[in-house]
Amino acid sequence: QKEVEQDPGPLSVPEGAIVSLNCTYSNSAFQYFMWYRQYSRKGPELLMYTYSSGNKEDGRFTAQVDKSSKYISLFIRDSQPSDSATYLCAMSEDNDMRFGAGTRLTVKP
Amino acid sequence: DAGITQSPRHKVTETGTPVTLRCHQTENHRYMYWYRQDPGHGLRLIHYSYGVKDTDKGEVSDGYSVSRSKTEDFLLTLESATSSQTSVYFCATSIQGGDEQYFGPGTRLTVT
Repeated sequence: QKEVEQDPGPLSVPEGAIVSLNCTYSNSAFQYFMWYRQYSRKGPELLMYTYSSGNKEDGRFTAQVDKSSKYISLFIRDSQPSDSATYLCAMSEDNDMRFGAGTRLTVKP
Repeated sequence: DAGITQSPRHKVTETGTPVTLRCHQTENHRYMYWYRQDPGHGLRLIHYSYGVKDTDKGEVSDGYSVSRSKTEDFLLTLESATSSQTSVYFCATSIQGGDEQYFGPGTRLTVT
């Protein structure tokens, strides 16, 4: 079993839909939780960074962390074709950062 | 954008040859990381550095070595490249360990 599990998709939604992306993890020591967006043949770019459990909102993006269930989510409201990318979850304890394999999202006009 | 560049951006090399990849940052971040990205595995940490001349192993360090003689440069060396090291390599930086990391554009390496 991988330390971080993420459904690889692919996920295809119509423009304007609400998108839900999820990861589960097994290491309860993880304290920092991140979501990255990666366009094809580009480096990952940070979308959201959270510490411990709770919600964090930034524009159309909301990150949720439930440490008791070892489950994190990213919600994208009013999805746009420009949101089409691979989304990576990541979590860390000090210098030990682990990534999910990524979910490929396509938003169709 | 944390001002991270990687060179070369693409490289094709033969099995058994040494290869060095360079990461350069302009943000004066203390921590630097090397990852490889493969389908189905996501990003996996190879080595990281927490200061000049201070490095440590990551999850998949076998066959790789690193050096950091200046804050801004972090080198990844494959002493004798193998086909299993064909991958996309990303450099990343952070201010502190555990902080959000900022990634470079990647180097696509093919070992034939």
